[in-house]
Amino acid sequence: DIQMTQSPSVLSASVGDRVTLNCKASQNINKYLNWYQQKLGEAPKLLIYNTNNLQTGIPSRFSGSGSGTDYTLTISSLQPEDVATYFCFQHNSWPLTFGSGTKLEIK
Amino acid sequence: EVQLVESGGGLVQPGRSLKLSCLASGFTFSNYGMNWIRQAPGKGLEWVASISSSSSYIYYADTVKGRFTISRDNAKNTLYLQMTSLRSEDTALYYCARLTTVATDYWGQGVMVTVSS
Repeated sequence: DIQMTQSPSVLSASVGDRVTLNCKASQNINKYLNWYQQKLGEAPKLLIYNTNNLQTGIPSRFSGSGSGTDYTLTISSLQPEDVATYFCFQHNSWPLTFGSGTKLEIK
Repeated sequence: EVQLVESGGGLVQPGRSLKLSCLASGFTFSNYGMNWIRQAPGKGLEWVASISSSSSYIYYADTVKGRFTISRDNAKNTLYLQMTSLRSEDTALYYCARLTTVATDYWGQGVMVTVSS
């Protein structure tokens, strides 16, 4: 099974900051990496699919990059409404696996 | 508007069974694969099972293989998860979610399953 490791587990940043969330796969996942945002009490929302493709309706301050085993979600200018937990998810091979999440807080 | 509405959750004793349903609307259900994904209280997300649009392909997480069965009825726009031999570690919010070729894109609001004596 492919293990997905996210870092940091908690990230505290100020409004307007550029923030970077990391996700590392235990083997090459060929860019089949999605990012989800989950706000408290809500279902997850798809932000980015296949490493760097912005889902319709998602603000352009969100972007993704990476290849092989290392992937990144970047928020170019943090907004108060971005407070949430962010999960990466690989769909390169079965079983599908999620990272454990990064909780993003505002300082 | 895509809508996925789960039902069938509740409190169940260990070793018993429960069947979840997910009613889909706002898209052509028979054209899409579907997932069940769960989240234990205060924990992360765990993929449970997937089924292709015509039920030709079915996959399970090792943690539920042999105990859970995913199925669908395209005529009723409904996805199912039959859960048997339930354990305390199956306690979670269960989401159904639409599967495309590139992503699990739309999610329901989830249904809670609590396994306890």
